[in-house]
Amino acid sequence: QSVLTQPPSVSGAPGQRVTISCTGSSSNIGAGYDVHWYQQLPGTAPKLLIYGNTNRPSGVPDRFSGSKSGTSASLAITGLQAEDEADYYCQSYDTSLSWVFGGGTKLTVL
Amino acid sequence: EVQLLESGGGVVKPGGSLRLSCAASGFIVKNYNMIWVRQAPGKGLEWVSSIRSSSTYIYNADSVKGRFTISRDNAKNSLHLQMNSLRAEDTAVYYCARVDPHYSGSGSFLDYWGQGTLVTVSS
Repeated sequence: QSVLTQPPSVSGAPGQRVTISCTGSSSNIGAGYDVHWYQQLPGTAPKLLIYGNTNRPSGVPDRFSGSKSGTSASLAITGLQAEDEADYYCQSYDTSLSWVFGGGTKLTVL
Repeated sequence: EVQLLESGGGVVKPGGSLRLSCAASGFIVKNYNMIWVRQAPGKGLEWVSSIRSSSTYIYNADSVKGRFTISRDNAKNSLHLQMNSLRAEDTAVYYCARVDPHYSGSGSFLDYWGQGTLVTVSS
């Protein structure tokens, strides 16, 4: 059972927009800790996608965007492409001094 | 170029031990906070253990407390995870990752990951 809650799967057709939610609690996201997102392509290590709720590392397309409000955060992907098919994880920190992750969301591009 | 390369995974019987290593290049491990994250087959990411650059502060997930020990070898520029009393539920790919040192927000992120090493606990 992951500390942060994500939907197990989302899907969309090429060119469409999808969003992935990440719900925490008052001891992590709600405590003011920032949310970060990682993309994990099949058989590879996770890669940083969004940091600090809304920021993209260099090289990440602006089709990817993040937001945070209260005890939740969201990742939005616009203009879906086949190469976006992957698992996506949110990550934050907790007042118990632990790193917390979401359970992951599998994105399928139809 | 920053690189992390894990090794030491394998098959071990329940109750056994393994020591994972993470060789770093392109940066000096002792100057960074580092963590171990694992991923059970078909499952999500789970934080295991973390060590601050000072080495004074070490934190472990409840699931591994008293069994796993994180450490650093400054001479070899590497990170280690000593795993004792292994259980079937410890079966996973283990990743070492670097904590971004410059983030000024609240709660940092992992800017570099290794490729992972598979640990299988089975009789």
